[in-house]
Amino acid sequence: QITLKESGPTLVKPTQTLTLTCTFSGFSLSTSGVGVGWIRQPPGKALEWLALIYWDDDKRYSPSLKSRLTITKDTSKNQVVLTMTNMDPVDTATYYCAHIDYGDAPGAFDIWGQGTMVTVSS
Amino acid sequence: QSALTQPPSVSGSPGQSVTISCTGTSSDVGSYNRVSWYQQPPGTAPKLMIYEVSNRPSGVPDRFSGSKSGNTASLTISGLQAEDEADYYCSLYTSSSTSWVFGGGTKLTVL
Repeated sequence: QITLKESGPTLVKPTQTLTLTCTFSGFSLSTSGVGVGWIRQPPGKALEWLALIYWDDDKRYSPSLKSRLTITKDTSKNQVVLTMTNMDPVDTATYYCAHIDYGDAPGAFDIWGQGTMVTVSS
Repeated sequence: QSALTQPPSVSGSPGQSVTISCTGTSSDVGSYNRVSWYQQPPGTAPKLMIYEVSNRPSGVPDRFSGSKSGNTASLTISGLQAEDEADYYCSLYTSSSTSWVFGGGTKLTVL
């Protein structure tokens, strides 16, 4: 059974850097075709894809946020970390991590974490 | 890559069918088949319902079906049930930009 869980601060100040960790189980991020992505959702608004890291350490970023994002993985710890710099109140959102496997459902996030709410405020 | 366009809301009575559209352009939806659909009941995480336009993951009822025509993908829910009430989002992966884009979401109300 695949599970993912996000963790990190619930409150950050404007201009600070946000660091979120996705801890997962039930799969290995060293398996070909597997990846973990981050998606966020501001309160009452739509989903927005942020970044994704593949089993081979290939990384993809949202073009509009690329300059602020960094995604890394620690395969031995079954963790993926997302950092976002220069946080602003508009970045207030629930942040989700999600699993992707091109062998099962190409291009789709088939298992999601429960999400973690991050508020940006001074 | 611009967001995909969905109607803000749709509604239907139990037992009826509803269709939610997801419109893009000839450069995105019209050119790629990695369209997926997600169901999000209030206060919960999204759940994958359809991938690659029309494929259902195991466990998703066959009342949910997907299709695509031209620049528009569609999700059809037949035999509406009260438990289907949720927000629905389409998503597209394009290999040209190696990125994902989501639609604005559609709120389904079961009357």
